[in-house]
Amino acid sequence: RKEVEQDPGPFNVPEGATVAFNCTYSNSASQSFFWYRQDCRKEPKLLMSVYSSGNEDGRFTAQLNRASQYISLLIRDSKLSDSATYLCVVISNTGNQFYFGTGTSLTVIP
Amino acid sequence: DAEITQSPRHKITETGRQVTLACHQTWNHNNMFWYRQDLGHGLRLIHYSYGVQDTNKGEVSDGYSVSRSNTEDLPLTLESAASSQTSVYFCASSDYPGATDTQYFGPGTRLTVL
Repeated sequence: RKEVEQDPGPFNVPEGATVAFNCTYSNSASQSFFWYRQDCRKEPKLLMSVYSSGNEDGRFTAQLNRASQYISLLIRDSKLSDSATYLCVVISNTGNQFYFGTGTSLTVIP
Repeated sequence: DAEITQSPRHKITETGRQVTLACHQTWNHNNMFWYRQDLGHGLRLIHYSYGVQDTNKGEVSDGYSVSRSNTEDLPLTLESAASSQTSVYFCASSDYPGATDTQYFGPGTRLTVL
């Protein structure tokens, strides 16, 4: 079983739509969680950290559900510029094992 | 501005050759990482370092080595390149102790092993 699993998509949504991605992880002791964004043929860049209390940054909301071992990313009012691949990252409780999901592809359509 | 660079950006080599990919960061970060990215696998950790003279194996370290002689550089060496090592390689760095901090990625090196 993979440490981190993501639905690869693709998700094709119209502008203005709300879209949500989930990422499940297998190690219940994992301690840190992030969402990264990766544009085609570019390097990943941090989008936001994920906290137990949830966090919001403009149109983006990240949530952590430890009981069910998943993290989520919600994008409201999608823009064309949101088109990218979104990677979840899970870091182990020892702090030295980090696992990236395979990414979820999002295309926002005019 | 501080940055992280990788060279070369593209490399074609032959099976069995030794290849070294360079990674240089001017953030003065203690932590540096090497990943490979392949379709269907996402990013996988190869090696990482938490400081000068410190190196650790990641998930897919076989066939790769690193050395950390200064803060700025973490070169990745493929001892004897194999076709299975054709991939895009990303270097990353982060500031705080451990691995729980934001990682800043270099632009990547696309390696083809023929």
